[in-house]
Amino acid sequence: DVVMTQSPLSLPVTLGQPASISCRSSQSLVYSDGKTYFNWFQQRPGQSPRRLIYRVSNRDSGVPDRFSGSGSGTDFTLKISRVEAEDVGVYYCMQGTHWPPTFGQGTKVEIK
Amino acid sequence: EVHLVESGGGLVQPGGSLRLSCAASGFIFSNYWMNWVRQAPGKGLEWVASIRLTENERSYVDSVEGRFTISRDNAKGSLYLQMSNLRAEDTAVYYCARDGDSFFDSWGQGTLVTVSS
Repeated sequence: DVVMTQSPLSLPVTLGQPASISCRSSQSLVYSDGKTYFNWFQQRPGQSPRRLIYRVSNRDSGVPDRFSGSGSGTDFTLKISRVEAEDVGVYYCMQGTHWPPTFGQGTKVEIK
Repeated sequence: EVHLVESGGGLVQPGGSLRLSCAASGFIFSNYWMNWVRQAPGKGLEWVASIRLTENERSYVDSVEGRFTISRDNAKGSLYLQMSNLRAEDTAVYYCARDGDSFFDSWGQGTLVTVSS
């Protein structure tokens, strides 16, 4: 199975400051159709996961534009341009290029 | 608006069985692959099972193969997970998740399964 490795696992941030989470896959995530099936999810405390970004850089409906995704091949990044209080939670990366779909360990974002 | 509501969780003894349900609304259920994803207490997310548009194509994570069965009723807009021979390590919140554009675009609120004597 493809292993997804996130860093850091804990990210204390200051309100209004930027934040960045990295995710590395053990194999290239480029599928035979040329697309890269890599997503980011947010899980706020006590809530279900919510997809933020799909196929590397596409924001889901209703996701604030302070969230952005980038990367290619095996290395990907989620950036929050200015952290707000509602961004506290755990962020997961996930790949669907290779079966079975697999998730990273999660990165816990908290306010300093 | 997409709405997924899981039910059927509870406390069950090791070796026991449980059937989870997920009621879908707000979209044409028969047009989407569906999944179960679980989260053990304090842990991360783990994909458990998927079912394509018909019941002919299903897949499972290795740890549940032969013990869990995913199914769907397109007429009722419902997804199911029949779990048998349950183990302590199956204890988790089980989420129903839709495969929209590129995996897991919508999630339910989850249902807790606790396997303990």
